[in-house]
Amino acid sequence: NAGVTQTPKFRILKIGQSMTLQCTQDMNHNYMYWYRQDPGMGLKLIYYSVGAGITDKGEVPNGYNVSRSTTEDFPLRLELAAPSQTSVYFCASSESTGGRPEAFFGQGTRLTVV
Amino acid sequence: RKEVEQDPGPFNVPEGATVAFNCTYSNSASQSFFWYRQDCRKEPKLLMSVYSSGNEDGRFTAQLNRASQYISLLIRDSKLSDSATYLCVVNSPSTDKLIFGTGTRLQVFP
Repeated sequence: NAGVTQTPKFRILKIGQSMTLQCTQDMNHNYMYWYRQDPGMGLKLIYYSVGAGITDKGEVPNGYNVSRSTTEDFPLRLELAAPSQTSVYFCASSESTGGRPEAFFGQGTRLTVV
Repeated sequence: RKEVEQDPGPFNVPEGATVAFNCTYSNSASQSFFWYRQDCRKEPKLLMSVYSSGNEDGRFTAQLNRASQYISLLIRDSKLSDSATYLCVVNSPSTDKLIFGTGTRLQVFP
């Protein structure tokens, strides 16, 4: 089972460039999340989605955009990369927040902005 | 008050020791509780769910105290391989998402 797949695994961006971090899951989960994790720190929620067509901001959404056109995909867009966005980005999905809500994570994307 | 709070540690313990972590949560309506483990530079992975009556999985025991709004994780007979960061996770009924604590770092030494 593929689970949650993130691409790319590593990326170096120049200040001001744009990129999309891809995330796809094959578990038919309704909930999907994007987190960033700075070195030695905890996870910070950027955006989340409770289903196709529905997205909502987390605690650190500035500088990012998301879309959820299908259940499977939840891409994260950086429009004007800044050094402060250097981080590891994790995508996660879960079936719900009741029932069986445990989250499954992708392997992460390590992004450096120079 | 943060929705989920953990002592960041680090907890430095010798092999064979017993260690316990606590995590407090702010929303009394939360219904789902988990402990995740995160190794350095890796993604978090589910360690165990936490059930109302408490539950055990080998050397790991999880407890829930609804009255005081905290969950705990007890690790017995610590192994070097237990060294990791342990994340407390709680569902938020009001915002309909999972809330992750910032994690407690455990270092087991020989």
